[in-house]
Amino acid sequence: QQQVKQSPQSLIVQKGGIPIINCAYENTAFDYFPWYQQFPGKGPALLIAIRPDVSEKKEGRFTISFNKSAKQFSLHIMDSQPGDSATYFCAATDNAGNMLTFGGGTRLMVKP
Amino acid sequence: DVKVTQSSRYLVKRTGEKVFLECVQDMDHENMFWYRQDPGLGLRLIYFSYDVKMKEKGDIPEGYSVSREKKERFSLILESASTNQTSMYLCASSSSIRGLGVEQFFGPGTRLTVL
Repeated sequence: QQQVKQSPQSLIVQKGGIPIINCAYENTAFDYFPWYQQFPGKGPALLIAIRPDVSEKKEGRFTISFNKSAKQFSLHIMDSQPGDSATYFCAATDNAGNMLTFGGGTRLMVKP
Repeated sequence: DVKVTQSSRYLVKRTGEKVFLECVQDMDHENMFWYRQDPGLGLRLIYFSYDVKMKEKGDIPEGYSVSREKKERFSLILESASTNQTSMYLCASSSSIRGLGVEQFFGPGTRLTVL
């Protein structure tokens, strides 16, 4: 049983579009929500993360929106580029902090 | 530049063989993890270790064991490989110091095929 549900499984957008990836969680003890980006042939790497005391966090073209009451969070990529084509994983952890629970992943393709 | 390295990028083994996957990190991290990655299932935790000679089962430990004899090295062992263990295996490490957050650093993965 996945504690973090991620959708969609795959996504194709045109260059300049705004892909949105959504995640939902059940465990109310989760208090840290990172997103990882994985390029083909590489391991995942931390992209951006948020704690539930804020509703939005922006780093460059990447924004996390967080809705604590709905137990949902999402990643938006502004002005997407072909170089953003990758697999994206949302994750969550509780205040013990060492263990991450990952969503199922979204394979994003940005067409030129 | 921080690094997690895995011994093989690709591995082909036969059913019933004993398989060793090695992982080494150079960041002096206390925590090390083994995941398997399958399409649509994300990353599922097999085992993790928070100290030398310490290990904890993750979500899917069946058919696997681990060894951590040195802080920098964490090995995943498939005692008797089966075809349903064909997968991508990812090793990761992280610091246990709370102020540094929970960022996990991943190796490039080992794609294991069991015939």
